[in-house]
Amino acid sequence: SAVISQKPSRDICQRGTSLTIQCQVDSQVTMMFWYRQQPGQSLTLIATANQGSEATYESGFVIDKFPISRPNLTFSTLTVSNMSPEDSSIYLCSVGGTVTNYGYTFGSGTRLTVV
Amino acid sequence: AQTVTQSQPEMSVQEAETVTLSCTYDTSESDYYLFWYKQPPSRQMILVIRQEAYKQQNATENRFSVNFQKAAKSFSLKISDSQLGDAAMYFCAYRSANFGNEKLTFGTGTRLTIIP
Repeated sequence: SAVISQKPSRDICQRGTSLTIQCQVDSQVTMMFWYRQQPGQSLTLIATANQGSEATYESGFVIDKFPISRPNLTFSTLTVSNMSPEDSSIYLCSVGGTVTNYGYTFGSGTRLTVV
Repeated sequence: AQTVTQSQPEMSVQEAETVTLSCTYDTSESDYYLFWYKQPPSRQMILVIRQEAYKQQNATENRFSVNFQKAAKSFSLKISDSQLGDAAMYFCAYRSANFGNEKLTFGTGTRLTIIP
């Protein structure tokens, strides 16, 4: 299955600043997914990132707040912009589909704390 | 839209015993995939087991097995011979089989504690 390198693993940021999270995959994948996991809760999909097109955002998430780049088939970034304490969460990237035989592989997550 | 429900926020089991985690889902689709994921304190999401809806046979992976009841839209996970390393959050997840709709929808999770 695919191997994902996600960084940073954790960060503490000041409110009003932005953080960019990177995910690198060891094989080419069509779709990459970005999830948010708020403290003690489940995973919520932020957006689906396709190479060569705009990301598709889920209800409640907007591009201005969570801009995503997908410059090639092995890399994607998620930026959390103009952060507030409510953005404190774990952010995970994931790949799935046929490359992983319909299972999904996840990055190790980024634990973000906004102070 | 599909929904996934896990009605047991917490479960505990004695080491070496068997425990069953419940999951129900709602969908109008006939073809889909169901997953159980484990998330230990390291927060890494680990695939435990996968079930294709078109397969009647329940999936099994070593000590982990599922009871898939398609008509009842139920997908429970049985862990046999529980071990201390099984302690984690367990998430049930749904994925449509439709091309282009490959996102996972997760349940709220069950925290499993193993009692030595």
